[in-house]
Amino acid sequence: EVQLVQSGAEVKKPGESLKISCKGSGYIFTSYWIGWVRQMPGKGLEWMGIIYPHDSDTRYSPSFQGQVTISADKSISTAYLQWISLKASDTAMYYCARGFLTGSNNWFDPWGQGTLVTVSS
Amino acid sequence: DIQLTQSPSFLSASVGDRVTITCRASQGISSYLAWYQQKPGKAPKLLIYAASTLQSGVPSRFSGSGSGTEFTLTISSLQPEDFATYYCQQGITFGQGTRLEIK
Repeated sequence: EVQLVQSGAEVKKPGESLKISCKGSGYIFTSYWIGWVRQMPGKGLEWMGIIYPHDSDTRYSPSFQGQVTISADKSISTAYLQWISLKASDTAMYYCARGFLTGSNNWFDPWGQGTLVTVSS
Repeated sequence: DIQLTQSPSFLSASVGDRVTITCRASQGISSYLAWYQQKPGKAPKLLIYAASTLQSGVPSRFSGSGSGTEFTLTISSLQPEDFATYYCQQGITFGQGTRLEIK
């Protein structure tokens, strides 16, 4: 069974750093993209970025470029989403998902269970 | 940037109804569209990709159509478990969502 398991909920203060993880299993991790999607409380889905673990080719949405860093460690089939300095506005649920990319077409399946990040002083 | 506009944003329907959700793109996107279902407190689930290809395991009452700038997701006969929020996606853009509730 293809599965993505994300790290647990985090509570942080503004200005702190954070790295959350997403571990893939049940498939060849390096043969598929991994994407990250943000969902702020009560809001819709926002595409953040995507990485190809085989060669770490990474693409960001312009809205998130420079705000977060996406990385992957293919030796442990794990992708990461990282912040250097969190803001209260980073409070959200963050999902990782296996990505399919063909030219301009992309979709995600399956999705991880989500990691809730709360940033509050 | 491509914008995706879903309509309606909110839909009230009954079990057994046929419902259609529309996703309009601000420019032509060929058949590059996916649809997801999200239930409260759960991760999204892929229903359809490439505009009309049903993901494995998704009930056949779900169907997608369209190309260019106008796309539809149709549920032929609503079941109780179908009440959820639905999103379309193309590239780096998601639609704003359509919340489907029980009448």
